[in-house]
This record gives sequence, C-alpha cells and structure tokens, in this order.
Amino acid sequence: QVQLVQSGGEVKKPGASVKVSCKASGYTFTTYGISWVRQAPGQGLEWMGWISPYSGNTNYAQKLQGRVTMTTDTSTSTAYMELRSLRSDDTAVYYCARIGGSGWLDYWGQGTLVTVSS
Amino acid sequence: EIVLTQSPATLSLSPGERATLSCRASQSVSSYLAWYQQKRGQAPRLLIYDASKRATGIPARFSGSGSGTDFTLTISSLEPEDLAVYYCQQRSNWPWTFGQGTKVEIK
Repeated sequence: QVQLVQSGGEVKKPGASVKVSCKASGYTFTTYGISWVRQAPGQGLEWMGWISPYSGNTNYAQKLQGRVTMTTDTSTSTAYMELRSLRSDDTAVYYCARIGGSGWLDYWGQGTLVTVSS
Repeated sequence: EIVLTQSPATLSLSPGERATLSCRASQSVSSYLAWYQQKRGQAPRLLIYDASKRATGIPARFSGSGSGTDFTLTISSLEPEDLAVYYCQQRSNWPWTFGQGTKVEIK
C-alpha cells in the first residue's frame, strides 16, 4: 500500500533552517510528483510547491521563492523540503503529498510540526 | 493567482440532512478542481477530483459538480463521521491554490 512517512517535529529559532523528509513506499517513486503543503495552527492549507522525482523539476510558490528548496533522493525514495531564514509565521504542520495519476494529491504524509520560536 | 472562495464558512446540519458546499474561483479553472476532507488532527483526504469524479474508496453520498468558476460539493445524507473541514483546490494555473475551507458541524 502507498505510504508517505515524514520525519518528526522540529523546534527552530528565527533565522534558522529546517529540512523535513518524506519517505515513500508502495509505488515506484519516480513515477509520480511530490507536492508540499503547509497549515499554520488553526488555519487553512497553503500549497508550497512541487517536485518531479523523475526529472528534478520544481515549481515553488512565489511567496517562498528564495527560501525553499525541494529535492529528492531516488535511491531511498525520499523527498525533502528545506526552508531557510525561518520566521515565526513559518510555524505550521508541513505535509508531503503524492501527485497521483489523476494529477491530484491522492496520498498524504502524516504531517510534521515545525515550531519557530526564540 | 487564482483565488478560491468557499461558502459558507460553517455549516451546521443534522444527520441525514443534505449538505451543499460552494467553491467559487476568481477565474475559470475549467474542471481542474478537487475537494478534500480534513478531520481534526488528520491529514487531508482526496474526495473528489476533476470537479465530479469520486476518488477511490469515497462513499457515494459525496458528489461534486460544476465547471469554470462555480463548483459544488454535495453530501447527500450527512453521517456523524462527516464532521470535518472541506477544502477545494485548483490545479488549472500555478500556483495551485486552496479555498479557505468550510467547516461541517453535526447537530
């Protein structure tokens, strides 16, 4: 069965960086894209960007351009999302999700809480 | 970017009632619209994609309709387990965007 398992929660200081991992299993990793979505406490969903594990192509939300990098390691079927220059408003649960054959987010990781606090 | 506006913000209904949720796009997204259900403390789950297609394993009481700028998610007969926030999402244009959500409460 398809599973996306994310790394554990993180607490970071303002200005630091965080790297969240998302390990995929149950399907051929390079066949489908991975998207990252975040959710601030009590708020809605915010799309952050997308990466193709096959080509490495990416597309990031403009508001995060320059601070976010999405990568993949096909040898371990793992996707990564790094966010730099963290601010308090980056405090959120970060989700990875598979972009399935339909083109939509059909499987999601369990979420990783990133807390930015001094 | 395409703005998705969902209404109402909150819907409070009794079990067995029909729930109608709306999602309006600031410009046409054709049929590139999906609906997700998010229960408290859980990741979102894909319900409907391409405006009207049910995702795998989704009960028949969930249906979607619409195209262009106006979309509707209907829950034909509300069950207690349908308590959740429902989000619409478009992938017609980058960046992909979500609506702000509709919370469905069970009376």
